[in-house]
Amino acid sequence: QLQLQESGPGLVKPSETLSLTCTVSGGGSISSRSYYWGWIRQPPGKGLEWIGSIYYSGSTYYNPSLKSRVTISVDMSKNQFSLKLNSVTAADTAVYYCARLEDTAMVRADYWGQGILVTVSS
Amino acid sequence: DIQMTQSPSSVSASVGDRVTITCRASQGISTWLAWYQQKPGKAPKLLIYAASTLQSGVPSRFSGSGSGTDFTLTISSLQPEDFATYYCQQANNFPYTFGQGTKLEIQ
Repeated sequence: QLQLQESGPGLVKPSETLSLTCTVSGGGSISSRSYYWGWIRQPPGKGLEWIGSIYYSGSTYYNPSLKSRVTISVDMSKNQFSLKLNSVTAADTAVYYCARLEDTAMVRADYWGQGILVTVSS
Repeated sequence: DIQMTQSPSSVSASVGDRVTITCRASQGISTWLAWYQQKPGKAPKLLIYAASTLQSGVPSRFSGSGSGTDFTLTISSLQPEDFATYYCQQANNFPYTFGQGTKLEIQ
């Protein structure tokens, strides 16, 4: 069974960089040509926001609202992909999910990590 | 960005009821729509994609329909485990966007 697991600091100071890693296990290869890999976040008590996605080749798509601050990268040797969000503020406090994105018929997130709460506070 | 508006924001129902949730897109998105279920403290779970295709393993009491700008998610006979928040998501244009959610509560 495919599993995704987010890891990283749960507390980040304002103006610093949020860095998270998603480890893919259970038989799924991040180098698969069939899938994209993405990050989605959810502020406490609020709805979902698509952050961006990456293909194994390294091509990326970022939400324009975050594009100037976001970098998503992939490490095929470790079967991981990562998120960096710089210059964070309290508005970036959220549960961050990594997900596998299936692209046949339409792009949708068919496997999700459990999520990691990142709080931005001094 | 395409705005996705769900209605109602919350609904109360009983086990065995039939429930319909609506999602409206601010512009046409063909059938590039998915529905997710989220329970408290858990990640969303994909239920339906391409407006009406049931994700593998999802019970057949869930169904979706619609195209263009108007879509519906129907649960034919509510079960206790169905009480959760439901989100629609469009994948017609990037950035992909979600509805604000519909909370389904026990009456």
